[in-house]
Amino acid sequence: QQQVKQSPQSLIVQKGGISIINCAYENTAFDYFPWYQQFPGKGPALLIAIRPDVSEKKEGRFTISFNKSAKQFSLHIMDSQPGDSATYFCAATLGSGGYNKLIFGAGTRLAVHP
Amino acid sequence: DAGITQSPRHKVTETGTPVTLRCHQTENHRYMYWYRQDPGHGLRLIHYSYGVKDTDKGEVSDGYSVSRSKTEDFLLTLESATSSQTSVYFCAINPGQGSDTQYFGPGTRLTVL
Repeated sequence: QQQVKQSPQSLIVQKGGISIINCAYENTAFDYFPWYQQFPGKGPALLIAIRPDVSEKKEGRFTISFNKSAKQFSLHIMDSQPGDSATYFCAATLGSGGYNKLIFGAGTRLAVHP
Repeated sequence: DAGITQSPRHKVTETGTPVTLRCHQTENHRYMYWYRQDPGHGLRLIHYSYGVKDTDKGEVSDGYSVSRSKTEDFLLTLESATSSQTSVYFCAINPGQGSDTQYFGPGTRLTVL
């Protein structure tokens, strides 16, 4: 019940296209859903996050869509660029503030071809 | 990397030897975490700390111990390393003040032969 399932494992997109990564969860106690971006040899970096009372959040070319009833959320990268090539992780948290615990999806390796 | 340093950055060791990884932060954050990253598993929480000498177990704590004697340092110890502990280890902090966000360090790649 604490799992976060992420798909696809890998994704190839042409420059200028839309990248879509999906995540699903079971535990309705999750209350914060961040997405992390990780480049090779680096730590994960927060990209964008959403709370379940919001259906969509947009920051630049990155958008999270959240469907509370379906317990699904997704990351959309518009106008994908080669510099977006990285591994993306969705996550969900249990608890609040510093007491929260992050539960990660398995990750999606995105390659954007020029 | 949110003012977090990890040392060493790379380590190769042999099965059965003790290993200690260090996470150091300069911002006096109260909350610190250790994760391991493995292909197909994302990141999984090993241990976390709410303050000096205040630690608790995460999802995959077997074979690991932690200590936090100073706010700035959070140590992860493998008492007797096994090949299954070959992984990339990340430290993270939460800046507190109601934040739900965790910020990660650069990682330590550990290979146990």
